Amino acid sequence: GESVGLHLPTLSVQEGDNSIINCAYSNSASDYFIWYKQESGKGPQFIIDIRSNMDKRQGQRVTVLLNKTVKHLSLQIAATQPGDSAVCFCAENGGTGNQFYFGTGTSLTVIP
Amino acid sequence: EAQVTQNPRYLITVTGKKLTVTCSQNMNHEYMSWYRQDPGLGLRQIYYSMNVEVTDKGDVPEGYKVSRKEKRNFPLILESPSPNQTSLYFCASSFGGLGEAFFGQGTRLTVV
Repeated sequence: GESVGLHLPTLSVQEGDNSIINCAYSNSASDYFIWYKQESGKGPQFIIDIRSNMDKRQGQRVTVLLNKTVKHLSLQIAATQPGDSAVCFCAENGGTGNQFYFGTGTSLTVIP
Repeated sequence: EAQVTQNPRYLITVTGKKLTVTCSQNMNHEYMSWYRQDPGLGLRQIYYSMNVEVTDKGDVPEGYKVSRKEKRNFPLILESPSPNQTSLYFCASSFGGLGEAFFGQGTRLTVV
């Protein structure tokens, strides 16, 4: 099966600071990646995605960076807010297009 | 309101007693998928469906069945549940295999 991992299981940041969450993937055939967040007691919620023909994509306060050379993905959150507190995890499609493999997640805690 | 609805939210059952977890979406999505979430393992894909009458195995399909007779519904069937199927289950839908997926609130299943 796929191996999608995260470098750190927990991350605590001060409100207003920037956050960076990292993700390593193992399948070089993966051509689509997604970041989700999951708040306690809820289902995952889409944050941002990126295809392998890009190395950077920006959304509102979030940026995803993709380094295919080292099979690394990162999520940057600008001006982190308490509402950003959640488990954030990445997913890849293994090049299949339809099947997804998820990492275990990083627990992001924003300190007011 | 656009949503994915799972029922039931909580279920305790005994080994071997067939059960069905329903999933319904109101967004006219072609792609639907089932995941299980276990501590330390992240989300693992059980089955997915690209459209009506089209279903495929995910990473952990053993012990599960699905059907896709209508576009909006994608029930998960456990013919003979076992304790190792105790888990938190999520249904998700999206327009295609790629792109933002919308997740249900989850079904916490306990098999004793």
